[in-house]
Amino acid sequence: GAVVSQHPSRVICKSGTSVKIECRSLDFQATTMFWYRQFPKQSLMLMATSNEGSKATYEQGVEKDKFLINHASLTLSTLTVTSAHPEDSSFYICSASGLGGSYNEQFFGPGTRLTVL
Amino acid sequence: GQSLEQPSEVTAVEGAIVQINCTYQTSGFYGLSWYQQHDGGAPTFLSYNALDGLEETGRFSSFLSRSDSYGYLLLQELQMKDSASYFCAVRDVTNRDDKIIFGKGTRLHILP
Repeated sequence: GAVVSQHPSRVICKSGTSVKIECRSLDFQATTMFWYRQFPKQSLMLMATSNEGSKATYEQGVEKDKFLINHASLTLSTLTVTSAHPEDSSFYICSASGLGGSYNEQFFGPGTRLTVL
Repeated sequence: GQSLEQPSEVTAVEGAIVQINCTYQTSGFYGLSWYQQHDGGAPTFLSYNALDGLEETGRFSSFLSRSDSYGYLLLQELQMKDSASYFCAVRDVTNRDDKIIFGKGTRLHILP
């Protein structure tokens, strides 16, 4: 099956610093990747849709200048949390759908747990 | 906008059958998916329904009624490893967007 990796799996940083999270599709080309955040025991909240070679589409209420998304290739999308604050601490998960494949099935990465001190 | 409703928690006994319901409201409904997520893990895809009816995959089945904006996930012969959160998700397609929106999730507790 399709495999999506995320790096790092866990990061702890100081308030005010920026953190970059990578999402890679390992064995397929992903035209579209999605970024979610999830608080403990809550649902996945869609942050943005990332399309290869174009600007990301952000959901209402998500600051695009704070959460920078780059989808430079068909196998890599990055999310950068700029000037992170404690309220940004969360579980960030990416998902991908394949080129010409079923958009209805999303392949999720293992997630990145961000803790901002 | 979009909204999905599913029970927050369900408890069942090992070996039994459990049904998790999901109702949705969305302007560009394209299909309903179900995902399983264990604590600390990533969601994994279980099923997808675009048309009315029942889809069966092993012990899991999923049902959709588009006219009722309703679906359910049916888990049979419950095993302890089925203890997890289950999310229904709609694919919402409009002129501008094509995205997957998740419900709040149902936490399934299984008793021995």
